[in-house]
Amino acid sequence: EIVLTQSPATLSLSPGERATLSCRASQSVSSFLAWYQQKPGQAPRLLIYDTSNRATGIPARFSGSGSGTDFTLTISSLEPEDFAVYYCQQRINWPLTFGQGTRLEIK
Amino acid sequence: EVQMVESGGGLVQPGGSLRLSCAASRFTFSSYAMSWVRQAPGKGLEWVSTVSRSGSSTFYADSMKGRFTISRDNSKNTLYLQMNSLRAEDTAIYFCAKDRATDYSTPNFDSWGQGTLVTVSS
Repeated sequence: EIVLTQSPATLSLSPGERATLSCRASQSVSSFLAWYQQKPGQAPRLLIYDTSNRATGIPARFSGSGSGTDFTLTISSLEPEDFAVYYCQQRINWPLTFGQGTRLEIK
Repeated sequence: EVQMVESGGGLVQPGGSLRLSCAASRFTFSSYAMSWVRQAPGKGLEWVSTVSRSGSSTFYADSMKGRFTISRDNSKNTLYLQMNSLRAEDTAIYFCAKDRATDYSTPNFDSWGQGTLVTVSS
């Protein structure tokens, strides 16, 4: 099973700042890494798939990068609605796995 | 807009069974693999199971193998999860989720239901 480790566990920033979230895999997932956003009481929302492709309707301030074992989700300028929990997910093989999440909170 | 509505959750005793359903609409259900993902209270996301478009292939997380069975009825646009031998650690919100693409062998999840809560307790 591929273990995904996200860092930091919590990130405290202010609106307008840049956010950088990390996801590290225990073995290579090639480019098959996705990012989700989840707000309290809601289902997750797909943001980025296959490392760097924005899902339908996702604003351009969200971008993804990386390959192999190290991946980054960047939010270029935080909007108030961006404060949430973010998860990465790999799909290179079964079982599919998620990271434990990064909580992005308002400073 | 894609819609998926889960049902069937509730309170069940340890060792008991439940069958979850997910009614899908506003997309061609039979063209997409479908999955269940769960989230224990206050915890992260955990993939449970995936079924292929036709239903002929199924995949499970190790801790669910032999206890959970995923299936689908493409004529009814409905996904199912039969859960047997339930344990306290199965307590979670169970989400059904749609694959983003029609041609991948392993999915990302681009649409989700609102979830149904399963509580395993005596």
